[in-house]
Amino acid sequence: AQSVTQPDIHITVSEGASLELRCNYSYGATPYLFWYVQSPGQGLQLLLKYFSGDTLVQGIKGFEAEFKRSQSSFNLRKPSVHWSDAAEYFCAVGAGFGNEKLTFGTGTRLTIIP
Amino acid sequence: GAGVSQSPSNKVTEKGKDVELRCDPISGHTALYWYRQSLGQGLEFLIYFQGNSAPDKSGLPSDRFSAERTGGSVSTLTIQRTQQEDSAVYLCASSHGAYNEQFFGPGTRLTVL
Repeated sequence: AQSVTQPDIHITVSEGASLELRCNYSYGATPYLFWYVQSPGQGLQLLLKYFSGDTLVQGIKGFEAEFKRSQSSFNLRKPSVHWSDAAEYFCAVGAGFGNEKLTFGTGTRLTIIP
Repeated sequence: GAGVSQSPSNKVTEKGKDVELRCDPISGHTALYWYRQSLGQGLEFLIYFQGNSAPDKSGLPSDRFSAERTGGSVSTLTIQRTQQEDSAVYLCASSHGAYNEQFFGPGTRLTVL
């Protein structure tokens, strides 16, 4: 069965600083990987996804993530955060064909300080 | 176009009562998912529908939980004899089909007193 680990429960960064949120997955084959963001009181919004091909994927709101098979990682990055990026971020893995459910990490809460 | 909608947005019930939670997926989406988000357990998969069939019910925590989907559209999650540990936000998502982006609704916050 697949699993996801997000080692950082809470991260605080200054507005304008760079950001990296960590995600490690466990799955025997090539996984389908996702990053979602959840703002307070809101549903989950997809930031980006990796299915195959280029291991550096671009998403919405200036986010990108890099799939590294050797490290079983799919870290989320942003060069310069904005106050509106404060939210909870979830990494998720899907096993694909025949097993379409997503398995989520426990989330990383991002706080932005002025 | 309209996104995934869920009703009610909030539900407070007494222990032992039955509740029904509704999900309206995006029109044309064949796949529908239910998840539960709670403080202690994070985001957990409950059940997946492809059309009106549920090929994966592995996440339903007990036989008090059931779900159905009719007309390949609306889905209802029913919890019988609610317990306090059922308190959570229940999220519904839909997608065009396998491995596609899942679009999530705003959730139903269930509180069992």
